[in-house]
Amino acid sequence: DAGVIQSPRHEVTEMGQEVTLRCKPISGHDYLFWYRQTMMRGLELLIYFNNNVPIDDSGMPEDRFSAKMPNASFSTLKIQPSEPRDSAVYFCASSLRRLVFGQFFGPGTRLTVL
Amino acid sequence: AQSVTQLDSHVSVSEGTPVLLRCNYSSSYSPSLFWYVQHPNKGLQLLLKYTSAATLVKGINGFEAEFKKSETSFHLTKPSAHMSDAAEYFCVVSSFGGTSYGKLTFGQGTILTVHP
Repeated sequence: DAGVIQSPRHEVTEMGQEVTLRCKPISGHDYLFWYRQTMMRGLELLIYFNNNVPIDDSGMPEDRFSAKMPNASFSTLKIQPSEPRDSAVYFCASSLRRLVFGQFFGPGTRLTVL
Repeated sequence: AQSVTQLDSHVSVSEGTPVLLRCNYSSSYSPSLFWYVQHPNKGLQLLLKYTSAATLVKGINGFEAEFKKSETSFHLTKPSAHMSDAAEYFCVVSSFGGTSYGKLTFGQGTILTVHP
């Protein structure tokens, strides 16, 4: 298996632009998680899905952030409009229902908003 | 509710000496516990996991951790540090019950430095 795939790996954009981050979970996994990592705040859970349905989005910082999972093999995290304080590494992770194997993380997308 | 506290933000050891990274947790339900490692500019890799089986858990690269319910601890150890162990380590708790089901709660991380 290729593991969790994220794209792009790096994104540099200007303030006010729309940013879309993409994630393909491991085949067969039914939980998908989006995290943000910064030096100041560490790793934060933004939102997670179970069977393509958003379960908990309490970690989404503002209405500028939105996430979708149209099918079991694809999810997006969108920021519109982007701001410099959104600069961070965004990780996607997936897991099996029973959680006995833990979550498997993608390589992350490093976002820089100028 | 669940939480995890990593007691040291930085640990420095010499190559060939033992490693101890400390972690305490709290959980309202039977917890699952994990250690993840993150090398610079890399994603997170699962080192080992505890899910209510044996309390002494062995992971990759010679690491192991012991679940101690009475102490609510899950410390990570390795008998002999290698230069390649230098990274940031995260202790993580999850549970099978309540509103936290399926969610991982991460500690703040411990940066391990290994000196030659």
